[in-house]
Amino acid sequence: KAGVTQTPRYLIKTRGQQVTLSCSPISGHRSVSWYQQTPGQGLQFLFEYFSETQRNKGNFPGRFSGRQFSNSRSEMNVSTLELGDSALYLCASSLGARHSYEQYFGPGTRLTVT
Amino acid sequence: GNSVTQMEGPVTLSEEAFLTINCTYTATGYPSLFWYVQYPGEGLQLLLKATKADDKGSNKGFEATYRKETTSFHLEKGSVQVSDSAVYFCALSDKQGNKLVFGAGTILRVKS
Repeated sequence: KAGVTQTPRYLIKTRGQQVTLSCSPISGHRSVSWYQQTPGQGLQFLFEYFSETQRNKGNFPGRFSGRQFSNSRSEMNVSTLELGDSALYLCASSLGARHSYEQYFGPGTRLTVT
Repeated sequence: GNSVTQMEGPVTLSEEAFLTINCTYTATGYPSLFWYVQYPGEGLQLLLKATKADDKGSNKGFEATYRKETTSFHLEKGSVQVSDSAVYFCALSDKQGNKLVFGAGTILRVKS
């Protein structure tokens, strides 16, 4: 079974631009979560989607948004990029809503904002 | 709010040494507990999990026991290998859904 895939793997953007990252979950998984990883703040939860609905949201500004499609694929968007948005963005998928379900992570998208 | 505290690293061990990485948590109710590992340049891999008190998760020689009385989930391995060198993250997930709360991570370096 194929794992979680994320595209692109690397991205360089300029301050003020916007960016869209994509995540394809493991087949049959209906929940997709996004995390930001930085050296200073560690791993922080952005949001989670289940059956095309945002179920949970972390403490990030409104510039960070996401969506999920009917095939469970998900995208996240960051508008008006700031230097501090440079990070590894990780997507994770799981079977569903139960908190005991394992989450499986993709390789991440490395975003650099200059 | 929920939180996870891990021992600071880096932890440097010789091959075949015993490993312990401490993890304690603060949470309401009964969270599920996880250990993830991250190798350089890669995403996170689930190492093991436990979903209720006294559960022991184990995988690839690693194990951890969910201790509710001490709110701990320490990771142990009897004999580490150079290939175990990585960053290890302790995490919890509460009943509100699939939001994982991570510790800061512990760097493990194993030398031959």
